[in-house]
Amino acid sequence: DAGITQSPRYKITETGRQVTLMCHQTWSHSYMFWYRQDLGHGLRLIYYSAAADITDKGEVPDGYVVSRSKTENFPLTLESATRSQTSVYFCASSESSVETQYFGPGTRLLVL
Amino acid sequence: AQSVAQPEDQVNVAEGNPLTVKCTYSVSGNPYLFWYVQYPNRGLQFLLKYITGDNLVKGSYGFEAEFNKSQTSFHLKKPSALVSDSALYFCAVRDRYYGNNRLAFGKGNQVVVIP
Repeated sequence: DAGITQSPRYKITETGRQVTLMCHQTWSHSYMFWYRQDLGHGLRLIYYSAAADITDKGEVPDGYVVSRSKTENFPLTLESATRSQTSVYFCASSESSVETQYFGPGTRLLVL
Repeated sequence: AQSVAQPEDQVNVAEGNPLTVKCTYSVSGNPYLFWYVQYPNRGLQFLLKYITGDNLVKGSYGFEAEFNKSQTSFHLKKPSALVSDSALYFCAVRDRYYGNNRLAFGKGNQVVVIP
């Protein structure tokens, strides 16, 4: 769905490098979320944001940083990538905390 | 705490047969429940949700799910499976009062529809 996009779609990096994954939504949804998907774990919430300048930790926040200066963007930064952060990352947005979350296409990240 | 269990890693079903994907949940209060589907190399797509009201919820692509409070279940069903239904299915729950605006996802069920 063109309403929420992620970039890059694929990324290879090395241990210790900083990586930023971008997420952009065109619906003006208040809530945005970052998940990682790993075999055997399903989706785990990394961080979420209820509005611009409001962010909160999810289930697995260690090693990640987020910001939300504008409603439509919610970048996720790995400050010093580790191999355990190799995963598929999904961004999602929703109009409110009880409404349906809509997911982006994902970013496949490989940390060597 | 809120959590979801999807007990079967994979569900195999013949095309044309009924499809059931099981989900049980645990919340402190009352639940909001969701089903999503993921096709290969794609993001999750919303199928249906239960917020309140009728326990039988109808969603996209002919899927439905029944909320059963006594059994804390929200099984996904389709009367006649198609090969194109082969995908990964996720159940998710949020506690209405104690959910902290978060969804808890199950580990997912791989559905394989055999022609």
